[in-house]
Amino acid sequence: AQSVTQLGSHVSVSEGALVLLRCNYSSSVPPYLFWYVQYPNQGLQLLLKYTSAATLVKGINGFEAEFKKSETSFHLTKPSAHMSDAAEYFCAVSEGRNRDDKIIFGKGTRLHILP
Amino acid sequence: DTEVTQTPKHLVMGMTNKKSLKCEQHMGHRAMYWYKQKAKKPPELMFVYSYEKLSINESVPSRFSPECPNSSLLNLHLHALQPEDSALYLCASSLRGRVDNEQFFGPGTRLTVL
Repeated sequence: AQSVTQLGSHVSVSEGALVLLRCNYSSSVPPYLFWYVQYPNQGLQLLLKYTSAATLVKGINGFEAEFKKSETSFHLTKPSAHMSDAAEYFCAVSEGRNRDDKIIFGKGTRLHILP
Repeated sequence: DTEVTQTPKHLVMGMTNKKSLKCEQHMGHRAMYWYKQKAKKPPELMFVYSYEKLSINESVPSRFSPECPNSSLLNLHLHALQPEDSALYLCASSLRGRVDNEQFFGPGTRLTVL
């Protein structure tokens, strides 16, 4: 069965510093991986996704993530944090169309940006 | 049109009321989902409609009933809810058949049960 683990329910970084949000996955088949962002009282917005085309994936708002099969990881990074990046971030995994339609979410990481 | 819309944005209801949440997409997606999200938690899948076939999370109580009038619309009918049902209800859709099953989310309905 597929699963996702996000290390750290809260992460605080200073404005302008590197953002690193950690995600590890478990899947019995090659996974499809997603990072979603959620601002207060809003829906989820896709930041980026890994679908096996390239291991380094670039997303919106300057975020990127690297798929590392050997480490079963898909960590999210951004070189320089901005105050507007403060939000909840969810890593998610899907086993693709040959499985059911579900994606599995991690528990989320709240990103705090310090001035 | 690349968005999922949800109405109403906010809903307050009593435990004896009957109400409905509405979700709509015009992206030609053939799978639609309802999620429940409590504060500081990830979304929990409630229902999936995929090619007119309904899949249910067994833990969802019968006071929630989904309806899919057509491939663009998904309703969630609410009846005799409890205060613990207060949450953000999210609708999502995906282009069934996409290898990666990317889901597009609506803005949500904030439900308060008194």
